Amino acid sequence: DQQVKQNSPSLSVQEGRISILNCDYTNSMFDYFLWYKKYPAEGPTFLISISSIKDKNEDGRFTVFLNKSAKHLSLHIVPSQPGDSAVYFCAARRGGGSNYKLTFGKGTLLTVNP
Amino acid sequence: ETGVTQSPTHLIKTRGQQVTLRCSSQSGHNTVSWYQQALGQGPQFIFQYYREEENGRGNFPPRFSGLQFPNYSSELNVNALELDDSALYLCASSLGGADQETQYFGPGTRLLVL
Repeated sequence: DQQVKQNSPSLSVQEGRISILNCDYTNSMFDYFLWYKKYPAEGPTFLISISSIKDKNEDGRFTVFLNKSAKHLSLHIVPSQPGDSAVYFCAARRGGGSNYKLTFGKGTLLTVNP
Repeated sequence: ETGVTQSPTHLIKTRGQQVTLRCSSQSGHNTVSWYQQALGQGPQFIFQYYREEENGRGNFPPRFSGLQFPNYSSELNVNALELDDSALYLCASSLGGADQETQYFGPGTRLLVL
């Protein structure tokens, strides 16, 4: 049972345009959502996060939007740069208790073409 | 500030053998989580250690075990290796607690079981 889903395995975007990566979740107990970027042969690098009590968080070129009623979040990258080419993982944290494990989607490979 | 480090970077074992993977957490972090990432999948939570105690476990059999030391470094041990254990093993550290939602990952150890 996949609680965090990234339905697009890959996305190709032209440099300078907007990249939109999508993520859906099923567990309403998730209280925090994070996006990680991963290059080959490296561990995931934290990008940006959002609390379930907010609907938007912005950090430079990266903005995350959360729609709780639809159980959907998206990461917007504007403008996209070739260095953004990587696998992007959506992750969710379940609140409560002391065990803050992350549940990950399968990832979306973003390719930004010069 | 030193980031999360893992050793070794690569490892080849044969079925039935045992393996120990090591992780040094980021300075000041008291919580370590271990994840397994199979090819084409997102990271899957194995278990988490907080102040030397196991603090939650994912759907992995008991032959996956761990330790956390007083300096908050950690080990992941896998006994009776199976072919399906071939994967990238990621360690992530965090400050722990409800307000510390971000986990920071090391580069991973790639394990191949023949």
